[in-house]
Amino acid sequence: GAVVSQHPSRVICKSGTSVKIECRSLDFQATTMFWYRQFPKQSLMLMATSNEGSKATYEQGVEKDKFLINHASLTLSTLTVTSAHPEDSSFYICSAPQALTEAFFGQGTRLTVV
Amino acid sequence: QKEVEQDPGPLSVPEGAIVSLNCTYSNSAFQYFMWYRQYSRKGPELLMYTYSSGNKEDGRFTAQVDKSSKYISLFIRDSQPSDSATYLCAMSAYGSARQLTFGSGTQLTVLP
Repeated sequence: GAVVSQHPSRVICKSGTSVKIECRSLDFQATTMFWYRQFPKQSLMLMATSNEGSKATYEQGVEKDKFLINHASLTLSTLTVTSAHPEDSSFYICSAPQALTEAFFGQGTRLTVV
Repeated sequence: QKEVEQDPGPLSVPEGAIVSLNCTYSNSAFQYFMWYRQYSRKGPELLMYTYSSGNKEDGRFTAQVDKSSKYISLFIRDSQPSDSATYLCAMSAYGSARQLTFGSGTQLTVLP
C-alpha cells in the first residue's frame, strides 16, 4: 500500500517553544491531508483538514493560531504547535487519502511538553 | 453522547479463539465503515472497509454492518498472538478516506 511518512516520531520540548511535525506522502500525491490527535486510550480526534494551496479547515474547538497547518506541496503537510504547553502533550497522527477508498496514516508523533 | 461508541476492553482471548469486536453509532449519515488495527505507538492501518450494510470477508476477518441497528462488528477467526493490538472502528459520511469519526478502540490480547 501507499506510504505516509511522519516525522519526528517523538519529540520533547520546553513549554513555550514551537514544534513542527511533517507529514509526507511518499508515492502518491495528496491534495488533502488530515491531522488527528489521540490521547491515551482514547479515539483519534480530527483536528483539521489540510488543503494544498489553500487554508486549512479546523474542527470546532481547535485553535487555528495554536495549531498552524501548511500544505505547501502535493506531498507535504506540516503541523506546527505554537507556544506549546504541557496540555498539548499528545499523540499526533496525519493521514492522506489515496483515491476515495483508503486513508493511509503516518506513524504518529508523540509530543511531550515539559 | 459520543457519535461512535466502542467498548475499550481490554479483551484477552486464547490463541485460536473467535474474537468479536463491536461499535454502535448515532449518526445515520454514516455510509462508510472501516476497521483499523493500531499497534502501540504506531499509526492505524486499514483492515476492512464496507460501504453501507452487509458483510465482507477477507481471510480470517469478517466485517458486518447493520445500518438499521446502527451497529457494526468485526470478527477474527483463529486468532493469533500477532493479532494483539488495538482495533478502532471508524465511520464517515463522505467516503472511506475522508473525515473519519473513530471509536475509542478495543485493546485485544491473544494469549499463546
